[in-house]
This record gives sequence, C-alpha cells and structure tokens, in this order.
Amino acid sequence: DSGVTQTPKHLITATGQRVTLRCSPRSGDLSVYWYQQSLDQGLQFLIQYYNGEERAKGNILERFSAQQFPDLHSELNLSSLELGDSALYFCASSPGDRYQPQHFGDGTRLSIL
Amino acid sequence: ILNVEQSPQSLHVQEGDSTNFTCSFPSSNFYALHWYRWETAKSPEALFVMTLNGDEKKKGRISATLNTKEGYSYLYIKGSQPEDSATYLCAFQNSGNTPLVFGKGTRLSVIA
Repeated sequence: DSGVTQTPKHLITATGQRVTLRCSPRSGDLSVYWYQQSLDQGLQFLIQYYNGEERAKGNILERFSAQQFPDLHSELNLSSLELGDSALYFCASSPGDRYQPQHFGDGTRLSIL
Repeated sequence: ILNVEQSPQSLHVQEGDSTNFTCSFPSSNFYALHWYRWETAKSPEALFVMTLNGDEKKKGRISATLNTKEGYSYLYIKGSQPEDSATYLCAFQNSGNTPLVFGKGTRLSVIA
C-alpha cells in the first residue's frame, strides 16, 4: 500500500460529460502529480501541485483542470469528455524534498462510451 | 521535449536466467533517474532513485547502475523468478521537485 488513495477506481460515462477524480496524498507529502496512461502510451504527466499551488503543467488539455485543497487532497476535473479521454489516470505524491521517489495511487480507470 | 527511451520493449526469460535492460535519457541537466516496477493491475512501485554518476543501487536480486555523462542506466535482475514479471519503468528528472518524464517501459515475462 503506497498510502496514496484515489477514488473512484472505475468510472464509466458518456461523451460530453464531466467527471471529477479525487486523490489523497500520503500523509506528509506536499506535492501531488497527475498522470494519464492511454493504450500504447507511457505515463504522460498532466499537472503538479505543491502545497496548494500549481507548480508545473504538462500536456494537459484545456478541457481538464485540477486543484489542490488546503488539506492537500487534489481533484482532477475532466469536462466535455471525448472517446480519446478513456485512460488510466494516476495520482502520485512526494514530500517535495530532494531525491524522493513519487508514490502512486492505484489509478482511476475512465471509460467513455 | 525530453526523451526517455527504454529497450527492449518486452523480454521473455526462463526462470533462473539473469537479465538486464536499458534506459536512455538526456545527458544534460541531470538531476535524478528513477526506476519503478509496475505489476499488472497494481500501481507503479518505486525501486531506486539514482542521483550520482557511477551510482550503483541494489535491492535483493535487482540492481541498477547509472552513467549520467553518456545518459544511460541499466537495470539488472539476477536469477529471475516468475514474481519478477512486471513492466519496469525508468523516469528522468532534470531538477528537484519537478515532474518525472517516463519511458514506455520494458515488459518482462519470466517463464517457469
């Protein structure tokens, strides 16, 4: 158990809809990262938050947004969903200190019908 | 755009064989190289964080080496067991507290 909790584990919805994925980092970790894994793709970095503030942005679509709350949990919002958004979405956390690994949650599998 | 390449893409070995695979990354602006093990239906699990040129790290039968000057790292598994079957990911980091750039992984299958 990595200590990172993601909910829900599975999500099935239709095109055009909006969903929210939730992540609770490991106790004490200040950084939260979101990644997307699509078929035949590696883990693609979406966005990072550190202690409530956006720290880095990757290949995140404008239809996607995220935030980190004062209790350090994070939410990834995906809107106007398209078939191509079907993927496994991972959240990871780290303390933010030097040379520390990121610890991953079990992921949310999103299926768009 | 940072490029992290892993080879081979997949590998089948017999139980008891030793094996190794490669991660190539940019040799400039190096901060750290991470190795993860990712079993099917589970989340990626951190194996090593490597930071210095010439670093060697070991965890049981798994070890890794790092060459930052030429931009590669090797992961070795000695005496492979079926439970070693997983995808092994490497990830490059070019500064502290920044996102990891992942390779696509090497999928290892160990046949009993």
